[in-house]
Order: sequence, then C-alpha cells, then structure tokens
Amino acid sequence: GENVEQHPSTLSVQEGDSAVIKCTYSDSASNYFPWYKQELGKGPQLIIDIRSNVGEKKDQRIAVTLNKTAKHFSLHITETQPEDSAVYFCAASDTDKLIFGTGTRLQVFP
Amino acid sequence: SAVISQKPSRDICQRGTSLTIQCQVDSQVTMMFWYRQQPGQSLTLIATANQGSEATYESGFVIDKFPISRPNLTFSTLTVSNMSPEDSSIYLCSVEALEAFFGQGTRLTVV
Repeated sequence: GENVEQHPSTLSVQEGDSAVIKCTYSDSASNYFPWYKQELGKGPQLIIDIRSNVGEKKDQRIAVTLNKTAKHFSLHITETQPEDSAVYFCAASDTDKLIFGTGTRLQVFP
Repeated sequence: SAVISQKPSRDICQRGTSLTIQCQVDSQVTMMFWYRQQPGQSLTLIATANQGSEATYESGFVIDKFPISRPNLTFSTLTVSNMSPEDSSIYLCSVEALEAFFGQGTRLTVV
C-alpha cells in the first residue's frame, strides 16, 4: 500500500522568510496530492492540492510542486506570517483513500 | 467545496460506554470517510462509509468496535463502542468530491 513520508517534523522561520515542506510517496499510481493546515482544536483545512497531470500549482503565497519521477511533492510558503503557524499535513491518494504524512509543525516568529 | 458538520464537537465518556458521532454534508457525495487522529499524531483512515452497503474497514479496525451507518448520500455516523482510554482521539469525517474536505472533528476523551 501507499506510504507517505514528510520532512521536517518541525520548522521554525522568521516572519517574511519562506518555508518548504517535503513529502515522498511510494505508490506510483497515486495521482492526487492535497496539503492540509491544521490549527489547534480544528479539523484539517485543505489549502492547496495538485493532481499528477501538472507539475506545479500556485495560489497567492502558497505553491505545490510535484515530481512524479522521483515520487515527491513539496509545499512552498513565501512571505510567511505568524498566522501561518500550524501543523501541515501532506497526503497522497490513488483511489479515494488518502494516506497522510506525519505532519510538520511550522512556527513563524515575528 | 463541501460544508461538513460533525456532532458532538467534543465529549468526555466513561470507559465501557459507546459514543455515536454524526457527520452531515451539505451536498450529496458518494464517498464519506472516517479518520482517527491520536494526540499529536497524523490521521489514520478507519473506514470508508458506503451508501447502501457495509463500510469498508482498514487494517486494524473492525466493525464491532467502530460500527458505521450511511443511510443516505449526505449523512453518516461512526460509533466508538466499549470505549477505553486508548480510544481518546479526535475523530474526523471527510468527503471527497473533486477535493477532499474534513469536518471540524470530534474530540473524545475516555476516562
């Protein structure tokens, strides 16, 4: 079955800097790769996703890149703000079942 | 996007009892999923709730412990049966249309 690894587990950046979180997956059949932001006491919020027919997708300060050959995908947050502080999860799916990474706790210091 | 409502948002339960969690979606969806998130951990799929048939459970999860209902295309329930402190987790409902969305979760504490 699918296995998703996520790095780093924690990430601290200064406000205004960029943050990058990386995930690798094992099942080459996976074709849907969402990213979620989870704030304390809340459910995961979908922030961006990418499907295997594209290599990059951007939405304002957030971008996701996908390398199908290497089976890895990354989340890029530019111009970070304190409100970006949260736990971020990547996931991969080849059918309708999402397999999640282990999460990255991002702290943005003012 | 789909709007997902979960009830209750949190509960504290005695060991040995059962709790039923409800998930309501504002549109008809084919696939509904139940996840568990243990404290400080990632999300683990419990089962896929199928309308009109039995749920499909993942390895490590059984129907007797986590019975699921899916009476229609907008609603599902997950019951956590005969609870023990190890069942203390956040339980999350998810749907996938073009994108996968989650409810706010049910924070369960078993004492």
